[in-house]
This record gives sequence, C-alpha cells and structure tokens, in this order.
Amino acid sequence: NAGVTQTPKFRILKIGQSMTLQCTQDMNHNYMYWYRQDPGMGLKLIYYSVGAGITDKGEVPNGYNVSRSTTEDFPLRLELAAPSQTSVYFCASSFASGAKNIQYFGAGTRLSVL
Amino acid sequence: AQTVTQSQPEMSVQEAETVTLSCTYDTSESNYYLFWYKQPPSRQMILVIRQEAYKQQNATENRFSVNFQKAAKSFSLKISDSQLGDTAMYFCAFLTSGTYKYIFGTGTRLKVLA
Repeated sequence: NAGVTQTPKFRILKIGQSMTLQCTQDMNHNYMYWYRQDPGMGLKLIYYSVGAGITDKGEVPNGYNVSRSTTEDFPLRLELAAPSQTSVYFCASSFASGAKNIQYFGAGTRLSVL
Repeated sequence: AQTVTQSQPEMSVQEAETVTLSCTYDTSESNYYLFWYKQPPSRQMILVIRQEAYKQQNATENRFSVNFQKAAKSFSLKISDSQLGDTAMYFCAFLTSGTYKYIFGTGTRLKVLA
C-alpha cells in the first residue's frame, strides 16, 4: 500500500516558470490537502478538497491552483513561480472528519524558485 | 481564529530519559480535537497521538502520553524511555469539530542523544 505519493521530490524553477506538483493516494480517502512548510514555520494550508470536483482555498492560496477530477489525484499548479514560493510542499489525505481525521502525508516536494 | 503555540523550538534528551514537549492553543470552540504529529528527518509526517476535547482522560500510546488541560488550553506531549528513533520535529495540531482545516504549531525539534 503506497499511501500518499508526491512527485517530484525536488525541483528548481526559474522565476516566471510554471509547474504542477503531483499527488496521488490509494487509500480511497475523500479529503485531500496541500500544505507548504517554510523554514522554522508550521504547515500552512494552501488548498483542500472534500471530494472529486470540490476544492476550496486554505490560508495561503495566492499563486496556486488545484483540481480534483478523481478521488485519487490532487495536483497543485504553480503559475508564474516567484521566490516567495520557495518552500517544501506536502500533500495529505484523510478518510473522515473529526477525531478520525488522521492526516496521511506524502514525503514532500522541495521547491526552489531562483 | 484558532492559534497553536509551541514555545520550545528545540529540545534534547538523553536516551532512556523522559521529555515533555509543550503546546498551548487558543480557541473559543468547545468541541475540537488535538493531535501530535512527528516528522522524522526523512520528512514524512506521521500521527503520534490524538485527543478529543470532550474526553477528560489523557490519551496514551505506548511510550507517548499527553497532559490535556482544557481550562488552561494546554496539550503537552510526554515521551518516556526516549529512543534515538524519536529524533524528529514534533508538531502540535488543532482541529475544530466539523471542519477539515488543521491548525499547526511551528514545531519543536527534538534530538535524542546517545
């Protein structure tokens, strides 16, 4: 059971370039999340989804877009990359809400924008 | 808005000793959940322990236990018989009942010394 898989693990972008961070989960979880983790900071929620076709903004959505066409996949799109988007990005999924909302995390994508 | 504060950026403990990580939170909600997540150097975050606010009994998972003080809005993590594999970043997290958005603290980096 692979859990939550993120690709790529590392990426360097030039300012103004675009890219898509991929996230796939094989646990049939309804809820999926994208976070960013800046040095010395906690995780900040970028976007989340409560099911296929349904997405919503988190705390820091500017500069990002998401889609959720299937239960398994939740890609994060960066348009016109900026140095402020240099961060480690984590995708997570969970099965239910409340106390059962245990989040399963991917290994992360370390992104540098130069 | 809810906030989560971890006031100890770094801690160290000798192997086999006990260590307590602090977490305080602020909320006006009465029904919520609290979690401790562990992020080892390999970066994939995993759940350590969780607590439901309506339960008075402190949660315990093997060597990990919490001291949940609802009135004081405190949720500390105690690690007994520390092991080298406990070396990690530990995040305290808050989740309001009925929502999907976690609020994470800034983390405590714990180093277990041989």
